[in-house]
Amino acid sequence: QLQLQESGPGLVKPSETLSLTCTVSGGSISSNSYYWGWIRQPPGKGLEWIGSMYHSGSTYHNPSLKSRVTISVDTSKNQFSLKLSSVTAADTAVYYCARQSVHSRWFDPWGQGTLVTVSS
Amino acid sequence: DIQMTQSPSSVSASVGDRVTISCRASQDISRWLAWYQQKPGKGPKLLIYTTSSLQSGVPSRFSGNGSGTDFTLTISSLQPEDFATYYCQQADTFPPAFGQGTRLDIK
Repeated sequence: QLQLQESGPGLVKPSETLSLTCTVSGGSISSNSYYWGWIRQPPGKGLEWIGSMYHSGSTYHNPSLKSRVTISVDTSKNQFSLKLSSVTAADTAVYYCARQSVHSRWFDPWGQGTLVTVSS
Repeated sequence: DIQMTQSPSSVSASVGDRVTISCRASQDISRWLAWYQQKPGKGPKLLIYTTSSLQSGVPSRFSGNGSGTDFTLTISSLQPEDFATYYCQQADTFPPAFGQGTRLDIK
């Protein structure tokens, strides 16, 4: 059974870079049928897609986050990572990683999520 | 970008009730719509994809319908474990977008 687990610091200072890693177990990140994505959820609010990447390195990210997002993959470790630069309090959220179907573009399964707070 | 609007934003119902949640896309997305269930402190769970296909393991009391811009999620007979927040997601084009959520509470 495929499982995803987010990891990384729970507190980041304003203007710094948020860095998270998603470890995939029970399946290969090199599958041709899936992207690997990041989605976030500010406290008490809805879901916002951040970006997705293919194992080859092709990436797609939300234009609303402009050039602050970098997503990378390490196939040798079966992990993919998110970096979000120049963070502000508005970036405080629970961050989820998830597998995304290439064909139908749904997300499943999701990780349990990790809360990242931006504060000095 | 495509915007997704759900209604209602919250609904109260009782065990055994039939409940329908609506989702509207700002432009035609054909049948490229998914539904998720989220419980407190957990990541969302995929229920339905491509408008009406039930994800493996999801009870048959959940069903989806629609096409173009208007979609619905129906729970035919609410069970205690169904009280949660539900989100729709357009899967037609990047960027994928989610509705704002519908909270389903016990009456």
